[in-house]
Amino acid sequence: KAGVTQTPRYLIKTRGQQVTLSCSPISGHRSVSWYQQTPGQGLQFLFEYFSETQRNKGNFPGRFSGRQFSNSRSEMNVSTLELGDSALYLCASSRGLTSNTGELFFGEGSRLTVL
Amino acid sequence: AQKVTQAQTEISVVEKEDVTLDCVYETRDTTYYLFWYKQPPSGELVFLIRRNSFDEQNEISGRYSWNFQKSTSSFNFTITASQVVDSAVYFCALRLNTGNQFYFGTGTSLTVIP
Repeated sequence: KAGVTQTPRYLIKTRGQQVTLSCSPISGHRSVSWYQQTPGQGLQFLFEYFSETQRNKGNFPGRFSGRQFSNSRSEMNVSTLELGDSALYLCASSRGLTSNTGELFFGEGSRLTVL
Repeated sequence: AQKVTQAQTEISVVEKEDVTLDCVYETRDTTYYLFWYKQPPSGELVFLIRRNSFDEQNEISGRYSWNFQKSTSSFNFTITASQVVDSAVYFCALRLNTGNQFYFGTGTSLTVIP
């Protein structure tokens, strides 16, 4: 069973540019969450999507956005990149929303460097 | 508000020593779930264990064991007879009964020296 796949794995951008990251969840999983991991802030929740709808959002500026497609694949976009956006962006999938006690299954992440 | 604290930033042990990673959480919810994840250098977080707030039984899985104490809001993780392959960053996390948002601690970097 394939795990969570994230692309690209590494990318370098310059300030002011935008970036799109992609995540393919485990087959059958309908919930996709995104987390930002930095040395200073640790793992911080960005947003969660289920059935193409954003269900929950963390405390990030509007430059961070995402979407989910009908096949449960998800993308996140960061516009007008800032140096502080350099981080490992982790995608996680799970079968559903509340009432399930399932764990999140994580991808290996997309490491973004902003110069 | 929810919070998870892992006070130990880095730990180094010699192979075969036992090591305990501490985790303290804060929440006012009565139903919640606690998790431990392992993050090797590859970056992917690997699930280790889940506990719900109503089950305070300790659990053992091979060399791994977990001690959940609601009275002290702690969910500690012990590795017995550590091995070099245990070297990784370990995260404790809290999830409420509503939604899939996880609240992660800042992680403990464990180095096992051969």
